[in-house]
Amino acid sequence: DQQVKQNSPSLSVQEGRISILNCDYTNSMFDYFLWYKKYPAEGPTFLISISSIKDKNEDGRFTVFLNKSAKHLSLHIVPSQPGDSAVYFCAASGDSWGKLQFGAGTQVVVTP
Amino acid sequence: GAGVSQSPSNKVTEKGKDVELRCDPISGHTALYWYRQSLGQGLEFLIYFQGNSAPDKSGLPSDRFSAERTGGSVSTLTIQRTQQEDSAVYLCASSLARSSYEQYFGPGTRLTVT
Repeated sequence: DQQVKQNSPSLSVQEGRISILNCDYTNSMFDYFLWYKKYPAEGPTFLISISSIKDKNEDGRFTVFLNKSAKHLSLHIVPSQPGDSAVYFCAASGDSWGKLQFGAGTQVVVTP
Repeated sequence: GAGVSQSPSNKVTEKGKDVELRCDPISGHTALYWYRQSLGQGLEFLIYFQGNSAPDKSGLPSDRFSAERTGGSVSTLTIQRTQQEDSAVYLCASSLARSSYEQYFGPGTRLTVT
């Protein structure tokens, strides 16, 4: 069963505007959430994370919001840049091994 | 410093053959994970190593899949009697400690079973 869901397979946004990526999860035991970015033919790279004890974490142009009651998190990228064009994966963990459950990814295309 | 490396980058094999995929984690990283990504899907967890032992093998899809890690470093994932549904990108990741959620991924091995 898919415990982490990204329901938007793709997102197109103009350069300079805000990109908002959404992620929903079903397992209430998840206590740590991460976003990874992936370019073609490369492995995913860590972008930003948030612990379940927080509701917001910001790092430069990237902000992750967590709504535990709704089991929902989102990633905001502002302003969007052409180099942000990539596939973004939402991931969650709830065990001590650090095993990650991934969503299917959202392809972001930033147009000039 | 060097990141996670994987070999081969691409592998085409005939159905029924065995394949071996290799992962070299970042030096000093004690935790190592194997994932796979099938077309249009997210990353699917396969197995986790802490040092040379594998406390979590729950993601291995069948007994045709096995993995080992030697010297707390290099890991190999072996798929026996490959099937077409095994076609995917196999990704390896390592982290400094088992409780470190930030995992560093290799570029992956694209396996195609014909």
